[in-house]
Amino acid sequence: DVKVTQSSRYLVKRTGEKVFLECVQDMDHENMFWYRQDPGLGLRLIYFSYDVKMKEKGDIPEGYSVSREKKERFSLILESASTNQTSMYLCASSRTLPNTGELFFGEGSRLTVL
Amino acid sequence: AQTVTQSQPEMSVQEAETVTLSCTYDTSESDYYLFWYKQPPSRQMILVIRQEAYKQQNATENRFSVNFQKAAKSFSLKISDSQLGDAAMYFCACPRDFNKFYFGSGTKLNVKP
Repeated sequence: DVKVTQSSRYLVKRTGEKVFLECVQDMDHENMFWYRQDPGLGLRLIYFSYDVKMKEKGDIPEGYSVSREKKERFSLILESASTNQTSMYLCASSRTLPNTGELFFGEGSRLTVL
Repeated sequence: AQTVTQSQPEMSVQEAETVTLSCTYDTSESDYYLFWYKQPPSRQMILVIRQEAYKQQNATENRFSVNFQKAAKSFSLKISDSQLGDAAMYFCACPRDFNKFYFGSGTKLNVKP
């Protein structure tokens, strides 16, 4: 069974802390994504990676960075967490088109910043 | 601008009835896939159905089907014989560039017993 695994389902952090969200996929997918999900706003792309060590900014990269040292692992880093980063974070992976491009999602990490 | 619009923030349907969720999109891609995803409460987002834009025939997966109107850039999801397990957030997704997708704001579907 294919899987995208996010390291933490729930996190509570304090303002100013450095936060790491980890994501691992076992499908040998080239592409990995970090989305932020907020009510009424849908999913917004934070960062995208299409290969090891390759990354592209999404729509809302400010305050975030990413790391992809191995093909199966994609980390999201909040350098200095702020309360407006309280949200649900979703990791996803996919094959490069012209395959279906279907995204496979992790269960999500709900982050609360106090 | 490339966008996805889901104009129904919340909908309700009686068990065993049929419901249609709307989605309009805008893309500059010429050959693409469209997707509907389902996110049950506190559970993982999963693919419901996909439509290949170059295919005229609407996609169907069991009780789920789409009404794809390419010229109108409309991609609605019809759920027949609704079940309690269909209660979830539903997101429409369309391509932007290089394997990336825009998502709509979602429609919360309630199923009444």
